Amino acid sequence: KAGVTQTPRYLIKTRGQQVTLSCSPISGHRSVSWYQQTPGQGLQFLFEYFSETQRNKGNFPGRFSGRQFSNSRSEMNVSTLELGDSALYLCASSLASRGGYTFGSGTRLTVV
Amino acid sequence: GQNIDQPTEMTATEGAIVQINCTYQTSGFNGLFWYQQHAGEAPTFLSYNVLDGLEEKGRFSSFLSRSKGYSYLLLKELQMKDSASYLCAAMEYGNKLVFGAGTILRVKS
Repeated sequence: KAGVTQTPRYLIKTRGQQVTLSCSPISGHRSVSWYQQTPGQGLQFLFEYFSETQRNKGNFPGRFSGRQFSNSRSEMNVSTLELGDSALYLCASSLASRGGYTFGSGTRLTVV
Repeated sequence: GQNIDQPTEMTATEGAIVQINCTYQTSGFNGLFWYQQHAGEAPTFLSYNVLDGLEEKGRFSSFLSRSKGYSYLLLKELQMKDSASYLCAAMEYGNKLVFGAGTILRVKS
């Protein structure tokens, strides 16, 4: 079966712009989480959605937002981009905790 | 507060056994995950422990002690392809995974 699909794979944006990243979970998975990965901070939790509801949120500013659609696909949006937002953004989906979270290949965002 | 500690780097020889330790301190606890991440790739799920004890899965085993806030990942019969970063992650209530910084394992021939 298809894995977690994230688009686009690479993105270059200018400071001050906004960006939308997309994630399609594994079919049947209703939980979708987003993480930011940087060399200095490692993997940090952004937020988690289940059945179109945000269930949990990490310690990121309000410029980071997300949503989930009825087909479980999820998007995250970052407004007013800063240089420090350059990172690999990973999406993960899960059916149940014990099965683990399956990560997508990520979107590498570069802010210049 | 949240704190996940694991060694930064380890080196081991092909065919050997290596143990990667992880200590955690989180707000609520709902299980401990181990992931493997090769450079430039997404993390891949290795194991999940929620009860104390050892879980074995082929060449990989993972152990958890909830009372000590401690886990380890044991890799046997090391292969060159096992060279990667190994991430320890504790799940807090609310399905939030808190990751350690990762342990870079280098397997030498």
